[in-house]
Amino acid sequence: DAGVTQSPTHLIKTRGQQVTLRCSPISGHKSVSWYQQVLGQGPQFIFQYYEKEERGRGNFPDRFSARQFPNYSSELNVNALLLGDSALYLCASSLEETKDSTDTQYFGPGTRLTVL
Amino acid sequence: AQSVTQLDSHVSVSEGTPVLLRCNYSSSYSPSLFWYVQHPNKGLQLLLKYTSAATLVKGINGFEAEFKKSETSFHLTKPSAHMSDAAEYFCVVSKDSNYQLIWGAGTKLIIKP
Repeated sequence: DAGVTQSPTHLIKTRGQQVTLRCSPISGHKSVSWYQQVLGQGPQFIFQYYEKEERGRGNFPDRFSARQFPNYSSELNVNALLLGDSALYLCASSLEETKDSTDTQYFGPGTRLTVL
Repeated sequence: AQSVTQLDSHVSVSEGTPVLLRCNYSSSYSPSLFWYVQHPNKGLQLLLKYTSAATLVKGINGFEAEFKKSETSFHLTKPSAHMSDAAEYFCVVSKDSNYQLIWGAGTKLIIKP
């Protein structure tokens, strides 16, 4: 079975631009989470979506938004890019049989975003 | 609030010797705890998971961790290090109300030949 996939693998943008990152979860997984990992640090939680609804949101500005599609894939959008947005963006999927369950998260390889 | 502290930013051991990566957590309830490994230019991989069953948890690649509530610790161990174990290791606690994972800053494991 394919794992979590993310596209693109690398991206270079300039300040003020907008970016869209994409994630396909493991087949059958209903929940997708997004994390930001700045070089030398642990990942920071951005969003979690379950059944197309936002279930959790971390401490990130409104420039960050996401959505989940009927096939459970997800997009992360970042507007008005800042230099500090340069990071590895990780997507994770989990099974989540019910709305209240908390299952193991499986991570994709990430998208490396560089903002110049 | 939940938090995780990894006590060492770098750990260096010789191949064939034991590995100990230390993690302390803070949680107001009985948490789920994880160890993830990140090899250079590769995705995060789950090593093991504690969810209030047995306090000694066995994971992949010979790693194990022991949940000690009295010490609020969840240290990761391996009896004999291998060169392929060189990577960054993250201790993680789940946040109850909105299913977030709270990550430690990571410990870089260096294996000397």
